[in-house]
Amino acid sequence: DVKVTQSSRYLVKRTGEKVFLECVQDMDHENMFWYRQDPGLGLRLIYFSYDVKMKEKGDIPEGYSVSREKKERFSLILESASTNQTSMYLCASIGALDYGYTFGSGTRLTVV
Amino acid sequence: AQKITQTQPGMFVQEKEAVTLDCTYDTSDQSYGLFWYKQPSSGEMIFLIYQGSYDEQNATEGRYSLNFQKARKSANLVISASQLGDSAMYFCAMRSAHSGGYQKVTFGTGTKLQVIP
Repeated sequence: DVKVTQSSRYLVKRTGEKVFLECVQDMDHENMFWYRQDPGLGLRLIYFSYDVKMKEKGDIPEGYSVSREKKERFSLILESASTNQTSMYLCASIGALDYGYTFGSGTRLTVV
Repeated sequence: AQKITQTQPGMFVQEKEAVTLDCTYDTSDQSYGLFWYKQPSSGEMIFLIYQGSYDEQNATEGRYSLNFQKARKSANLVISASQLGDSAMYFCAMRSAHSGGYQKVTFGTGTKLQVIP
């Protein structure tokens, strides 16, 4: 089975800190995605990557950046964490022939 | 732009009854895919069912079926014989080819289903 692993399940950070959320997949998928999930808003796409060193902005990229130095790893970076970035963050990947995403278990980030 | 609309923020269903979760979509693409995901309170996203835009038959997976009405742009999820373990958040989503050929998936806001014993 495809596995998508997010390094932390829960994270508490202070306002202004630089935060790294890591995501690793083990099935050689080309496409990887970062979403944030908030009540009543569903899942909103932050950034995605379709190849190593390639990245595309999603619908809500402000305040975030990403890094994809290796095919299996896609990192989400909060340059200077703010309280409005408190959310559940979900990483997902999909191969070219797949129907749907495989998701990681999510990281619940709290910024205080 | 793609859009998914789920108009039911929350629903209740009696155990062993069937329930329909509504989903409408908007796209100008000819080729697209529609999904449903289940998210229990644990937070994991579980893939349930997929329907391609050119598939003539409605998709079924066990107790899940997708009622696909292309002209109405609707993709409702039907869960038959509800079980207590079906209590969860359900998301409708649509996959389309992004310019450049790669996949992009758009999600609805979700429906919280609660199954009553």
